[in-house]
Amino acid sequence: NAGVTQTPKFQVLKTGQSMTLQCAQDMNHEYMSWYRQDPGMGLRLIHYSVGAGITDQGEVPNGYNVSRSTTEDFPLRLLSAAPSQTSVYFCASTRWSGGTGELFFGEGSRLTVL
Amino acid sequence: AQSVTQLDSQVPVFEEAPVELRCNYSSSVSVYLFWYVQYPNQGLQLLLKYLSGSTLVKGINGFEAEFNKSQTSFHLRKPSVHISDTAEYFCAVSDRIGNEKLTFGTGTRLTIIP
Repeated sequence: NAGVTQTPKFQVLKTGQSMTLQCAQDMNHEYMSWYRQDPGMGLRLIHYSVGAGITDQGEVPNGYNVSRSTTEDFPLRLLSAAPSQTSVYFCASTRWSGGTGELFFGEGSRLTVL
Repeated sequence: AQSVTQLDSQVPVFEEAPVELRCNYSSSVSVYLFWYVQYPNQGLQLLLKYLSGSTLVKGINGFEAEFNKSQTSFHLRKPSVHISDTAEYFCAVSDRIGNEKLTFGTGTRLTIIP
């Protein structure tokens, strides 16, 4: 099983450039989310989606856009990259069991903005 | 609002020794607690979770955690660690069953000394 697949694994951008981090899952999970991981700050939720066509903001949404046209895909767009967006980004999908969710994470995308 | 505090950013432990990773939470309502593990260069995966019932929860790889409501803690323990336990461990909290948004702690890096 592929699970949650993120691309690219590494990316270097210049300030002001735009890019899209891709995320795909093959588990037919309705709920997907994007987190960023920064040293000493744990994981912080950027955006999430409860199903195709529905997205919402998390804790740190500024500077990021998302869309959810299919159940499988949940891309994260940086419209104008800033050094403060240097981070490791994780996409996750959620399986519901026993009334609560278990997150399945991708391997991460390490982004450096110069 | 809910929050999680992981008191130790790094914990070195000799192989085959016991370990306890500390987690304290704050929440104004009921809590549901999780421990996730991140092995080097991988995404996070669920170790164990507490939803209700017995306060001692057993997870994968020999780990267990105890929910203590009076001390607002959910410490993770293992009686004898192995080199393969080297990883970063994250405590997380949700304020209701069915809440897809977790609040993560800042993580504890567990290093096993041979």
